[in-house]
Amino acid sequence: QTVVTQEPSFSVSPGGTVTVTCGLSSGSVSISNYPSWYQQTPGQAPRTLIYSTDIRSSGVPDRFSGSILGNKAALTITGAQADDESDYYCVLYMGSGIVVFGGGTKLTVL
Amino acid sequence: QVTLKESGPALVKLTQTLTLTCTCSGFSVSTSEMRVSWIRQAPGKALEWLARIDWDDDKFYSTSLKTRLTISKDTSKNQVVLTMTNLDPVDTATYYCARTRGYNYYFDYWGQGTLVTVSS
Repeated sequence: QTVVTQEPSFSVSPGGTVTVTCGLSSGSVSISNYPSWYQQTPGQAPRTLIYSTDIRSSGVPDRFSGSILGNKAALTITGAQADDESDYYCVLYMGSGIVVFGGGTKLTVL
Repeated sequence: QVTLKESGPALVKLTQTLTLTCTCSGFSVSTSEMRVSWIRQAPGKALEWLARIDWDDDKFYSTSLKTRLTISKDTSKNQVVLTMTNLDPVDTATYYCARTRGYNYYFDYWGQGTLVTVSS
């Protein structure tokens, strides 16, 4: 079974830029995987950030952006703020109605 | 206003069957292109997609759990129901339901989640 991979953790300074990636254990991510990204803080339900690779969900600040970088989907936070400290998850559509979550990336802002 | 709310037992015993209900409002589960998924998160672990039911009653399951899951909907109550058989303590998790609309395969609205603990 194909695994969706993410960096387990990342650290960024306030005001800095960080890119979290979402890959496949076998193969490349493309727009046909409809990459989406979610932010989750402890004890809360996930919040939708990005869908269809690069479309920001309603109300999401434009410092969050999505793209395909090489063979992975990517979430970039430009000008990180303290309240961006969260877990970030990607989801990929694998075909045949199946979606798979990545293992999540814990972002620390310090 | 779209909302989803999960309900079900907080505590279940080893080998029992779990039944969870997702009550939807602000949209109809039978309207074209509406889809509802169940997703879970064990304590300290990543989110895991479990199953999805579409407006036309198509059903899809996680490959690893498909033998234990059944998803259904009650259109009269606008609810989506998930049953999971043969529970184990590793199934202890917060269970979320979430909506997908159309063919972008992303979750635009989420429920608040319900914690289910499996005791041995």
